Amino acid sequence: AQSVAQPEDQVNVAEGNPLTVKCTYSVSGNPYLFWYVQYPNRGLQFLLKYITGDNLVKGSYGFEAEFNKSQTSFHLKKPSALVSDSALYFCAVRDKNTGFQKLVFGTGTRLLVSP
Amino acid sequence: DTEVTQTPKHLVMGMTNKKSLKCEQHMGHRAMYWYKQKAKKPPELMFVYSYEKLSINESVPSRFSPECPNSSLLNLHLHALQPEDSALYLCASSQEGVRLANYNEQFFGPGTRLTVL
Repeated sequence: AQSVAQPEDQVNVAEGNPLTVKCTYSVSGNPYLFWYVQYPNRGLQFLLKYITGDNLVKGSYGFEAEFNKSQTSFHLKKPSALVSDSALYFCAVRDKNTGFQKLVFGTGTRLLVSP
Repeated sequence: DTEVTQTPKHLVMGMTNKKSLKCEQHMGHRAMYWYKQKAKKPPELMFVYSYEKLSINESVPSRFSPECPNSSLLNLHLHALQPEDSALYLCASSQEGVRLANYNEQFFGPGTRLTVL
């Protein structure tokens, strides 16, 4: 089965500091990985994806993620956090067993950025 | 237009009511999805439509009935729901991939907050 794990329920960081939200994956074959953000009472917004190519992927709002095949990780990063980045972050993988139609989500990580 | 819209924003219904949730996109996407999300949990896939045909049903109870009348619209008909069905219902769409292999990101609507009394 294709799956992703987010080991931290919550990450706290001070504004202006770098942030990392962790994600590890377990898939057979090549992984197709995504990061989404959800603000309170809103739908999910796409941040970035890794399909193939460069291991460092740049996305929306200054976020980037590094694909690491040897560590099976796809951590989300930002050099300088903003209070407005506080939200719920989901890592996800396209499920090969359904012809990649299904998106399998991690459990989510709440990011709190303090002023 | 790069938006997925959902109506209504909020819905309160009794267990004997019949209601419908609506979703619309005008991005030319041919894959559309319904998800259910409980508080502080990830979205759970319910249904996938590909080219207006139901391609995935995640063993959802028959009190939820999806419909895709055309390539821009997706409905979710609700009947005889239970209080535990109260949740945020999210619609999403994406470009269809080659030979159903879909690596494309999904665009989500803002959701319908459903409360079943």
